[in-house]
Amino acid sequence: NAGVTQTPKFQVLKTGQSMTLQCAQDMNHEYMSWYRQDPGMGLRLIHYSVGAGITDQGEVPNGYNVSRSTTEDFPLRLLSAAPSQTSVYFCASSSGTLQETQYFGPGTRLLVL
Amino acid sequence: LAKTTQPISMDSYEGQEVNITCSHNNIATNDYITWYQQFPSQGPRFIIQGYKTKVTNEVASLFIPADRKSSTLSLPRVSLSDTAVYYCLVGESGGYNKLIFGAGTRLAVHP
Repeated sequence: NAGVTQTPKFQVLKTGQSMTLQCAQDMNHEYMSWYRQDPGMGLRLIHYSVGAGITDQGEVPNGYNVSRSTTEDFPLRLLSAAPSQTSVYFCASSSGTLQETQYFGPGTRLLVL
Repeated sequence: LAKTTQPISMDSYEGQEVNITCSHNNIATNDYITWYQQFPSQGPRFIIQGYKTKVTNEVASLFIPADRKSSTLSLPRVSLSDTAVYYCLVGESGGYNKLIFGAGTRLAVHP
């Protein structure tokens, strides 16, 4: 099992550009989520999904879109990048209940100039 | 959502036992308490989870008093490799597991 994988590992964008951060898991987990982590801070939930076709907003959803067409993939789209979106992005998955361990990916470091 | 409060940072030395306490005064009946560890440039990693009393695994112990308004993560005989940020999370009751991470406790283990 590869677990949770994220691509790319690092990305530089110019303000106004769009891009998609990829996340995939091979554990057949129903629940997937995206977090951002700013320097010296904890993780903040952006969007989450409780299954294919179902997504919902987290704490900081503005400027981001998600979709969940398959159980395995949960891409995060930045529609028009802003410097405030410079952060490290983590994707996570679990089998679906809080009692189950959340598995995190290695992260994508994004720099918006 | 249950909010947690942890010390911002702690220092320890190799071989010592470290106890990190987390306060969660408004924990709900169905909430579990979960601790994660995060090393620099890595995603968080699950350490331990409990509901009440004491839970122990190969990495740590988790002590939860009867009122469940706090919990203590205990790391026995820490080493330099335990230097990390530790997060205490309390689960939202009601079905969807939207984990809320606070700033965590930055543990520094010194030689």
